[in-house]
Amino acid sequence: RKEVEQDPGPFNVPEGATVAFNCTYSNSASQSFFWYRQDCRKEPKLLMSVYSSGNEDGRFTAQLNRASQYISLLIRDSKLSDSATYLCVVNLDRGSTLGRLYFGRGTQLTVWP
Amino acid sequence: EAGVAQSPRYKIIEKRQSVAFWCNPISGHATLYWYQQILGQGPKLLIQFQNNGVVDDSQLPKDRFSAERLKGVDSTLKIQPAKLEDSAVYLCASSLEPPPSLSYEQYFGPGTRLTVT
Repeated sequence: RKEVEQDPGPFNVPEGATVAFNCTYSNSASQSFFWYRQDCRKEPKLLMSVYSSGNEDGRFTAQLNRASQYISLLIRDSKLSDSATYLCVVNLDRGSTLGRLYFGRGTQLTVWP
Repeated sequence: EAGVAQSPRYKIIEKRQSVAFWCNPISGHATLYWYQQILGQGPKLLIQFQNNGVVDDSQLPKDRFSAERLKGVDSTLKIQPAKLEDSAVYLCASSLEPPPSLSYEQYFGPGTRLTVT
């Protein structure tokens, strides 16, 4: 079983729509959670960290459910510029050694006019 | 602030040839990572350095891949000999602090797109 599982999509939505991505992780010892964005043929960039209490950044809302080992990202009022691949990322603390990031395969989003 | 620099941006080689990639992290970043991203997949960590020491190379195919970070700054990743399945984008990333620091963030370079024929 992979450490991080994501629905690869693609998700095709019109401008102004609300879209949600889900992600599950396998290791309950995971400590930190992130969403990265990757544009076509570009490098990944941090979109937002995911906190236990949930957090919001403008049109983006991230939620964490530790009991179900589940992370979500909600995008409201989608813009054309939101078209990208969204990577769910989990940090697994390996005790005294440094943590390692595990990336999901990404969910592809296309917003059309 | 200058980002993570990588070169070359593209490389095409034949199988069994050798190839090397170079990475210059953001100034002051102690932690450096090399990832392999195969088309349609997320990045997979190959090796992680803390300054010039290796802290994780468990997923590095050591029979053909090697990496070094001399003087704790620049890093090179080498493949010798290359196989068809090595075709991928090789991403270098750096961070000021290693995870699980609360202020942790990885900054990625533009990557090197390798095609093995």
